[in-house]
Parts: sequence; C-alpha cells; structure tokens
Amino acid sequence: GAVVSQHPSRVICKSGTSVKIECRSLDFQATTMFWYRQFPKQSLMLMATSNEGSKATYEQGVEKDKFLINHASLTLSTLTVTSAHPEDSSFYICSARGTNYGYTFGSGTRLTVV
Amino acid sequence: DAKTTQPNSMESNEEEPVHLPCNHSTISGTDYIHWYRQLPSQGPEYVIHGLTSNVNNRMASLAIAEDRKSSTLILHRATLRDAAVYYCILDDSGTYKYIFGTGTRLKVLA
Repeated sequence: GAVVSQHPSRVICKSGTSVKIECRSLDFQATTMFWYRQFPKQSLMLMATSNEGSKATYEQGVEKDKFLINHASLTLSTLTVTSAHPEDSSFYICSARGTNYGYTFGSGTRLTVV
Repeated sequence: DAKTTQPNSMESNEEEPVHLPCNHSTISGTDYIHWYRQLPSQGPEYVIHGLTSNVNNRMASLAIAEDRKSSTLILHRATLRDAAVYYCILDDSGTYKYIFGTGTRLKVLA
C-alpha cells in the first residue's frame, strides 16, 4: 500500500532557529501533498497545499514566510519552520494523495521550541 | 468547505459493536465520505470510505443514509486497540482538501 515517510519524528530546537521537516511518498508519486498542524487535544488544522513544481497554497491565517514549503519532486515535500518560537511547538503532519482514492498520512513530527 | 459533525466522545465495552455517527448535511453529490482514525502521537490512518452504498472491509463497515446527509462507522467488535480519535471527512472533489472536524474520541473499556 501507499506509504508516506515523515522525518524527523521528534525535534527540539532553540528559539530563533529554523527547522526542516521532510515528507516522502515511498512507493507512489504525489503531485499534491498537504501539511497539517495539530495542537494537544485538538483536531488537525490544514496549513497548506503543496504542489510539485509550483508554489504552495496557504490556508487563511498561515504565514507563508514563516512556514516555507518546497515540493521539488514528485516524492518529496519539505516544510521549514523559520525563526521558530515556542508558540510554534506542535505536531506537524503531512499527507499525500496517491493514485487511489483517499490520502496517506505521515507519522507526524513533534516540534518543541525551547 | 464541506463540514462534518461528530460527537466529541463515546465509550464502548470490549468485544461489543460500536456505532460512530457523523452528520454531513452540506454534502454534495460527488463528495466521498472517508473515515480515518488517529492513535496518540501518530498520523491518521485510513479506515473506510464510500459514496452512496454501504461498504464493508476488514476493519469496519460504513452505513450511509439514503439522503447521504449522515453516515455511521460500525466497528463490529471493539478491541482495546480500537481506542482512538475517529474522523469523518468529506473528500471534496473540487479542492481535494481534507478538512478535519473535531472527531470522536472512542474509549474502549476492558
């Protein structure tokens, strides 16, 4: 079945630094990937849609200069949290749409900014 | 964006059936109904999906109302491993976005 690999699973960074999260589709090509953020005890919130070879589309209220998305190939999308602050600490999840209906989700990245 | 409404939480005894309801009164004719579940500190996992007819797979069954404004996920025999947050999502064929509602937190009692 379709597998999406997300790395790293956990990261701790200092306030003011940048962190990159990778999302790979291992056995299928994904022209579109999605990035979500999830705070404790809350649902997933869609941040942006990542399209291969073009600019990402951000949801209302999400700062595109802070959350940089690059989708340079059909199997890789990256999310870079720039100048991270403690309020950016969250669980970040990517998903990809394969050839069949539905999406496959990555296992998530827990970001802690100290 | 199409929206879904689910109860915040439900409880079930182990080995008993569980019926998880979902309301989606604004569903359009081409929206598929998808169910995912999320275990703690993991990404959501696909459970089942359907359009109009009831669906069965090895994990669960999906019953869809005739007017498609509601659906029910059925776990035939709940186990402790089924304790998770279950999300009902409309697959918007126009935007291909998944918009998550609050989901139902299922607690399974031993």
